Amino acid sequence: NAGVMQNPRHLVRRRGQEARLRCSPMKGHSHVYWYRQLPEEGLKFMVYLQKENIIDESGMPKERFSAEFPKEGPSILRIQQVVRGDSAAYFCASSPRGSRNEQYFGPGTRLTVT
Amino acid sequence: DAKTTQPNSMESNEEEPVHLPCNHSTISGTDYIHWYRQLPSQGPEYVIHGLTSNVNNRMASLAIAEDRKSSTLILHRATLRDAAVYYCTGTLNFGNEKLTFGTGTRLTIIP
Repeated sequence: NAGVMQNPRHLVRRRGQEARLRCSPMKGHSHVYWYRQLPEEGLKFMVYLQKENIIDESGMPKERFSAEFPKEGPSILRIQQVVRGDSAAYFCASSPRGSRNEQYFGPGTRLTVT
Repeated sequence: DAKTTQPNSMESNEEEPVHLPCNHSTISGTDYIHWYRQLPSQGPEYVIHGLTSNVNNRMASLAIAEDRKSSTLILHRATLRDAAVYYCTGTLNFGNEKLTFGTGTRLTIIP
């Protein structure tokens, strides 16, 4: 059973470009979470999705950031018009059910904005 | 969400037990206590979780205080591969699935 997959592992974007981060959850997992880790900081929750639904987006910046988890295909975290402050590691996690179960994290996408 | 407090860093000698403390005084009755760890340049890895009773698995043991306001992660015999940042997470509240990570404890293992 393959683990959570994220791609790309490293992404370089210039200011103003768009960044698309992909996450394929573990097989059988229908819950996906995105977290962001700024350099030398802990992880911060961004958004929690189930198939075709956003359950909790309380950690998402109000502008430029969006997330989806379509019926088919990976979950996508999209950052429009990136700025230097968006440079961070973005981790995706999945779980088989919602509450009180462990989350399995992917290796992360390291976004660098130049 | 439960707020957690952990020491910033700890050191331990290789092959000795390690006790990593965490205070979570605002925990609610339905919250589980989760521990994760993050090795350098990797995503977090689940370690253990529990509700009221002490828990054991192949990685570690979790000792939960009777009042549930604190817990201790126990690595019985630390190896160099256990060097990581250990997070005692704000647990998953009923109906609220996000994990709330604090700053964690950076564990250094001395050979």
